[in-house]
Amino acid sequence: GQQVMQIPQYQHVQEGEDFTTYCNSSTTLSNIQWYKQRPGGHPVFLIQLVKSGEVKKQKRLTFQFGEAKKNSSLHITATQTTDVGTYFCAWRAGNNRKLIWGLGTSLAVNP
Amino acid sequence: NAGVMQNPRHLVRRRGQEARLRCSPMKGHSHVYWYRQLPEEGLKFMVYLQKENIIDESGMPKERFSAEFPKEGPSILRIQQVVRGDSAAYFCASSPPSTYGYTFGSGTRLTIV
Repeated sequence: GQQVMQIPQYQHVQEGEDFTTYCNSSTTLSNIQWYKQRPGGHPVFLIQLVKSGEVKKQKRLTFQFGEAKKNSSLHITATQTTDVGTYFCAWRAGNNRKLIWGLGTSLAVNP
Repeated sequence: NAGVMQNPRHLVRRRGQEARLRCSPMKGHSHVYWYRQLPEEGLKFMVYLQKENIIDESGMPKERFSAEFPKEGPSILRIQQVVRGDSAAYFCASSPPSTYGYTFGSGTRLTIV
């Protein structure tokens, strides 16, 4: 069956350093979404990627979808303490609208 | 435009009682999803509903758990005869007819004592 790994599980950085989290799938994904969940909060939708090789930017965040649509990454440039939280990738399996979720990468930022 | 409204935010139940969690989707959203999250863990899919229909309940335990999304009113996740292991955060999300991102409610933190 389909396996999607999200790595790393945890990342601790100094404020100002960059951060990247990856989602890697054993099979082709039709699309991938990224969410952020602050400690004690709820997931918030960040972006959806659909096209092969797609790159989207939101201020300091850069999202990529691999050419083979089997992997995706979220890169944060010059992290800030407001970036603290858990970043999840999620994808749809087949025609079903429900999302399957990665286990998340928890980001801690030292001021 | 109010977001997804979940209530209560916190719910404490004794073992054996019933827990009812409510979710009102965003205006214009016809699809509702329930997820469960344990501390330091990801989101586990439970059930996906449209108005008056359960579309996918593959993640919901067969016993004690039920969900509905009536024609009028909020979606309800019902847990009967709660046990300690039911303690978790339960999130509801909604989405529009187009396949785009979910909007989540603030969740219900259920504690079983």
